[in-house]
Amino acid sequence: EAGVTQFPSHSVIEKGQTVTLRCDPISGHDNLYWYRRVMGKEIKFLLHFVKESKQDESGMPNNRFLAERTGGTYSTLKVQPAELEDSGVYFCASSQDLVTQYFGPGTRLLVL
Amino acid sequence: QKEVEQDPGPLSVPEGAIVSLNCTYSNSAFQYFMWYRQYSRKGPELLMYTYSSGNKEDGRFTAQVDKSSKYISLFIRDSQPSDSATYLCAMPSGGSNYKLTFGKGTLLTVNP
Repeated sequence: EAGVTQFPSHSVIEKGQTVTLRCDPISGHDNLYWYRRVMGKEIKFLLHFVKESKQDESGMPNNRFLAERTGGTYSTLKVQPAELEDSGVYFCASSQDLVTQYFGPGTRLLVL
Repeated sequence: QKEVEQDPGPLSVPEGAIVSLNCTYSNSAFQYFMWYRQYSRKGPELLMYTYSSGNKEDGRFTAQVDKSSKYISLFIRDSQPSDSATYLCAMPSGGSNYKLTFGKGTLLTVNP
């Protein structure tokens, strides 16, 4: 069974540009999460989808971040416009229950 | 005070040693306690979790929770070079079972 996949694995953009990260969860997992790790800090929760509905976006830093999950399958996280402090590793996770979350390999974003 | 504190190490041990990894937490409402393992350039992988207090064993790994001290531990017996990774403790917070709060992670190296 394929795990959680994320694309791209790396992205280097300039401040002010737009970047879109994609996550494909494990097939059949209704729950999808985004997390972020900024250098030197802990992994932090961003938001939680159940199917196509946002259940909790309390961790989203500001309105430059937009997450979608069309059709309840894959999800995208768009950062527009990107700022220097958005650099970090963005992880996606999925689960059938709420506790056992399976993480993808992450997208490493560098904003210059 | 951070909700979850974890000594980042690094920790270096010889092959075969018993490893003890620890976290403290401040929120007495935490009920689930997870340990993730993260290899370099990979996403976190759930090793095991416990609910409430007590011990849980899985092969060479034992997770221990002491709710009275707000202290959790992961023990690795007969450590192997393949155990070299970053170990992260995590707990669902904010009254949810899904919003994981992570420690910073402890980098472990097991030397052959």
